[in-house]
Amino acid sequence: EAQVTQNPRYLITVTGKKLTVTCSQNMNHEYMSWYRQDPGLGLRQIYYSMNVEVTDKGDVPEGYKVSRKEKRNFPLILESPSPNQTSLYFCASRSVNTEAFFGQGTRLTVV
Amino acid sequence: SQQGEEDPQALSIQEGENATMNCSYKTSINNLQWYRQNSGRGLVHLILIRSNEREKHSGRLRVTLDTSKKSSSLLITASRAADTASYFCATPNNNDMRFGAGTRLTVKP
Repeated sequence: EAQVTQNPRYLITVTGKKLTVTCSQNMNHEYMSWYRQDPGLGLRQIYYSMNVEVTDKGDVPEGYKVSRKEKRNFPLILESPSPNQTSLYFCASRSVNTEAFFGQGTRLTVV
Repeated sequence: SQQGEEDPQALSIQEGENATMNCSYKTSINNLQWYRQNSGRGLVHLILIRSNEREKHSGRLRVTLDTSKKSSSLLITASRAADTASYFCATPNNNDMRFGAGTRLTVKP
């Protein structure tokens, strides 16, 4: 079954404690993206990747890092989380000019 | 910056009525896509319309595209309570895909 898998689904952490949200896709898609969703602001793109070892900033990259060492995985790293990074995060993957497939979401709370 | 902007922000209708949502975008596109999101869940792709198409149907969904006005509309006919969700348009370019803030549709039984 074609899918994008994010983990964890829910995470509560403390300010400054490094965390990683994993994302994996099984469709051999070139493009992968991370979004955050906050009430009234829709989806805002954090980072995206066009292929292995090729990443670029989206609209809200501050405080986040990503890596794309393998085509199927695109982890999101928060090296020093802060409360303003409390949000709902989505990973998505797609091929060129096709539809995007989304993960189930990760609800992150930073206290 | 967001590429697609949906209008209205919120829409409330009775079951059986039609719902129309609009999307405006800023740059030239290869295709435009509509997605649906149930509360707190991942977005699900509904329909893709290419830049050389003017109208497309899928079940109760009808999408139109006017590239001269840089706008698209999504029509849901004979709405059901289960159509209650947020709807987003998106316009992928070579590198990324950006979404608008969405239209929140409520269908009352």
